[in-house]
Amino acid sequence: GAGVSQSPSNKVTEKGKDVELRCDPISGHTALYWYRQRLGQGLEFLIYFQGNSAPDKSGLPSDRFSAERTGESVSTLTIQRTQQEDSAVYLCASSDYLTGELFFGEGSRLTVL
Amino acid sequence: QKEVEQNSGPLSVPEGAIASLNCTYSDRVSQSFFWYRQYSGKSPELIMSIYSNGDKEDGRFTAQLNKASQYVSLLIRDSQPSDSATYLCAVAPGGYNKLIFGAGTRLAVHP
Repeated sequence: GAGVSQSPSNKVTEKGKDVELRCDPISGHTALYWYRQRLGQGLEFLIYFQGNSAPDKSGLPSDRFSAERTGESVSTLTIQRTQQEDSAVYLCASSDYLTGELFFGEGSRLTVL
Repeated sequence: QKEVEQNSGPLSVPEGAIASLNCTYSDRVSQSFFWYRQYSGKSPELIMSIYSNGDKEDGRFTAQLNKASQYVSLLIRDSQPSDSATYLCAVAPGGYNKLIFGAGTRLAVHP
């Protein structure tokens, strides 16, 4: 596709439910990133994929968070047993390995009631 | 010490002036540096990348990198109200493509 595509754009869920966020990167981009941005805050790194391997999972806040990627395409970020502090915009970005320039999707806004 | 530091602002400049945004980073072996712009409620968009010491110009934007002093800056010439946004500095420590973002500087350009 022309850009990074994320779905859903908005998700409202109840505390304790599981949610799955999807990211479709720019075609040909080998690297894929997930960031979290709480209201009024900066970007918090969650996880990075090179191809379908995740060399850096250091940013995942807890074991309730997991992510996977199929080949060099779609990635899903799963949050189990959601908590109110998980409320944020989850941003996905992709890049080609050469330049490291990240291009972001429009984000998935998660609200946990 | 935060890995990437920016003054949160707001930085207020009059229309037509030069806006100067600064960023310092802690990892001496960082190789790649980026400036992103983020409008309220939107996702970040890439403005410029810079990889070597010196200046890099693109239209009204100039990025400046000084690896010895561990700082990178962004100059915006002839500032316009449409430049009002949060500007994010991002650094790839150790040449690794994981970008660490600063908290951003809010720029307000007033007519």
